[in-house]
Amino acid sequence: AQTVTQSQPEMSVQEAETVTLSCTYDTSESNYYLFWYKQPPSRQMILVIRQEAYKQQNATENRFSVNFQKAAKSFSLKISDSQLGDTAMYFCAFNAGKSTFGDGTTLTVKP
Amino acid sequence: NAGVTQTPKFQVLKTGQSMTLQCAQDMNHEYMSWYRQDPGMGLRLIHYSVGAGITDQGEVPNGYNVSRSTTEDFPLRLLSAAPSQTSVYFCASSYSARGNNSPLHFGNGTRLTVT
Repeated sequence: AQTVTQSQPEMSVQEAETVTLSCTYDTSESNYYLFWYKQPPSRQMILVIRQEAYKQQNATENRFSVNFQKAAKSFSLKISDSQLGDTAMYFCAFNAGKSTFGDGTTLTVKP
Repeated sequence: NAGVTQTPKFQVLKTGQSMTLQCAQDMNHEYMSWYRQDPGMGLRLIHYSVGAGITDQGEVPNGYNVSRSTTEDFPLRLLSAAPSQTSVYFCASSYSARGNNSPLHFGNGTRLTVT
């Protein structure tokens, strides 16, 4: 069974600064995918970024990037130039046929 | 393009009542799933399906039934509601379960309260 751990229940950052959210996972699978999803107060789940485990290059989507360390089973999310609209709960997810989610990190961006 | 349509948005049930949460997607996705989201516990997988006629249990299947008679629809049935089933329920689909980095597409969720 896969497990996903997000060790930071809550975080805050000043607008325009950078913040990193942690995620670790445990699996015996060799082929899998990793995702970060965002859930704003509207409750809608939104894809932020994805990473294929077989790719060594870290994924980047505009202000969002990941630090993927396969050997350490670590998949952190870095948000640069934080904006007020980034305030949300962020979930790390592991997919090897079905998706397993972490418990989430609530991020507050302060003006 | 409607994406994943989930109904109802809110529901209140009494203990012992039954109901069906509806989920439909118009993206021809193979994979569909149901999650529940409880405060501080993230999303937990209830049931999932990798295609029409195929379903399987997730992490917390007890008290719930599913069926997948068509590619588009994946209803979740609560057989006899219990207060422990008070939660927010999400239906999610993706193009394929394996061999693809397709992300999950989520419905807007159903807030269920069992009294």
